[in-house]
Amino acid sequence: QKEVEQNSGPLSVPEGAIASLNCTYSDRGSQSFFWYRQYSGKSPELIMSIYSNGDKEDGRFTAQLNKASQYVSLLIRDSQPSDSATYLCAVRLSSGSARQLTFGSGTQLTVLP
Amino acid sequence: DTAVSQTPKYLVTQMGNDKSIKCEQNLGHDTMYWYKQDSKKFLKIMFSYNNKELIINETVPNRFSPKSPDKAHLNLHINSLELGDSAVYFCASSQGSVGGTGNTIYFGEGSWLTVV
Repeated sequence: QKEVEQNSGPLSVPEGAIASLNCTYSDRGSQSFFWYRQYSGKSPELIMSIYSNGDKEDGRFTAQLNKASQYVSLLIRDSQPSDSATYLCAVRLSSGSARQLTFGSGTQLTVLP
Repeated sequence: DTAVSQTPKYLVTQMGNDKSIKCEQNLGHDTMYWYKQDSKKFLKIMFSYNNKELIINETVPNRFSPKSPDKAHLNLHINSLELGDSAVYFCASSQGSVGGTGNTIYFGEGSWLTVV
């Protein structure tokens, strides 16, 4: 089992819809979770971080964390074509170095105009 | 001002050559990293380094070595390049332990390495 798993997609949603991106992780002791966005040919950029169970909202983005189910998701409301990118889930695992993040393989999102 | 900068951005080289990729961060962070991203977008840690510890991912061949002249620089040296080394290499930095409130990793623009 991979340490951090995401559906690779591609996921296509129409403009204005809600895009839902999912991530599961294997290490039950993990405490820190991040979502990065990566445009084609560019570097990953941080868009959300979440540390506690529940929802965290930032503009059109909502991160949801359920540690009991080892599940973290990202919702993008009112999706725009500019949201089309690969979304990477990252987890700081409880084992290994506290200075390292483990990334999922990413979900490619396409927002159709 | 680019926070994490790496050079070169593109590098095409022949098998068997030795090459280096340079990285500098001006964020004042104490930890730097090298990540490798393959053609399937999988981003995998290679090294993390601060002035106290070097963490090496055990799957990284010993042909790869990080070299840090000071805390703002972490260069990646690769010996005897192989076709499978072709990938995008990202340098990154963070302050303190990743995952502490507000602490996360900031990436450079990437270096596209092609081995022919």
